[in-house]
Order: sequence, then C-alpha cells, then structure tokens
Amino acid sequence: EVQLVESGGGLVQPGGSLRLSCIASGFDFTNSWMNWVRQAPGKGLQWVANIKPDGSEIKFVDSVKGRFTVSKDNAGNSLHLQMNSLRAEDTAVYYCGRGLSGYNTVDIWGQGAMVTVSS
Amino acid sequence: DIVMTQTPLSSPVTLGQPASISCRSSQSLVHSNGNTYLSWLHQRPGQPPRLLISKVFNRFSGVPDRFSGSGAGTDFTLKISGVEAEDVGIYYCMQTTQFPYTFGGGTKVEIK
Repeated sequence: EVQLVESGGGLVQPGGSLRLSCIASGFDFTNSWMNWVRQAPGKGLQWVANIKPDGSEIKFVDSVKGRFTVSKDNAGNSLHLQMNSLRAEDTAVYYCGRGLSGYNTVDIWGQGAMVTVSS
Repeated sequence: DIVMTQTPLSSPVTLGQPASISCRSSQSLVHSNGNTYLSWLHQRPGQPPRLLISKVFNRFSGVPDRFSGSGAGTDFTLKISGVEAEDVGIYYCMQTTQFPYTFGGGTKVEIK
C-alpha cells in the first residue's frame, strides 16, 4: 500500500524548534520528489517546501526561509522537516506529499501532523 | 508569486445537479516546457487533500469521470456533472508551474 505517515508534531513555545518526520512506503521513494504543505486551523493550504529526489535542491516559501530545513533519507525512506525559530503563525497541520513525476503535482498525501506554537 | 483566485467561495448544490468551480491565476501557468501545471484537489473535513486532476484535465487514478477539468493560460474550471453526497467538502486549485507553488482559497461544496 502506498503510504506516507507523519510524526513529531506537538506543542512548542515561540522561538522553539521541532522536527517532523514522514515515513514512506509502497513506492519508489528514492526517485520521488517530495513536498511539505501546511494548513492553519480553519484556513486553506499553503505549500512550504519541495525537495529533489536526491536532495540536491530544495525550495521554500519565503515565510520559512532561513528557519526551516528539509532533508531526505533515501536509505530510510524518510523525509524530515526541521523547524527552528517557530512563530505563532507556523501553527498548522503539516502534510508531507509525494510529487507525481511528469505531472508536477502532489498525488499522495500523509494524514498530517499538528504543530502548535504557543506560550 | 502567482495568486490563485477561486470562485465561488461556496456552492450549495442539489444532489444530482452539476457544479462548476472557477480558478484564475494572476499570470499564465504555461511552463517553459509547454505544459500547464494546474491541479484540483478535494478535501473533506478532518482529512488530507486528495488529488483529483492534474495538468488541467488529467483525472487521477480512481477519480470518477463525473469530474472534469478544462481551461488554459490563466482561466481554469472544475466541473462535477452530477454532485453526489461524497463530493461535499472544499475544492482547491493549485499551480505548480512556478515556485512558490500556490493554492486557491478554496470553494466549499455543500448539499442544499
């Protein structure tokens, strides 16, 4: 079964850090582009980051540049989002998603991990 | 950044009747490679989004043929030929032609 499972969400104080993980199964993770997309409570979707299959290139939305990093462990079929200097506006459900090659879209989505930034 | 604007915000529909959602981009979504990277997703409450259509009109695996996408350049449409109860939720368009990828604000489809 093709699956993405996120973990690592939780409550963190402003200025703190959190690391999300996404474990992939059922597909060729090594050769897949991957994305992080977030959704603030009651709001729409916002793309956060995209990483090439070999991890050689990463793109971020401006609002997280310099604070978030993404890494891809192809040997372990896992994707990670390191979030530093967290702000209240980073509060959201974070989804990892597979990039569908040739169609440049996100076809497989995880269930999401909730991140709450609050004192 | 490319701004995606969806209309309407809400669409009350009678079961079995058609529904149509519009998505307009602030600039052309035609990529330098000639492809247009416009997708439609559906999200039910408490669930992750689900891909319906990619590259304007390509239905994803398992998506019923009552869903169809059309458009070009900056104007795109998602049509549901006959709304079923399971189709309720929020629909989003998404452009992946240019970074940062951006989404429309969403259209809520509900049953009258």
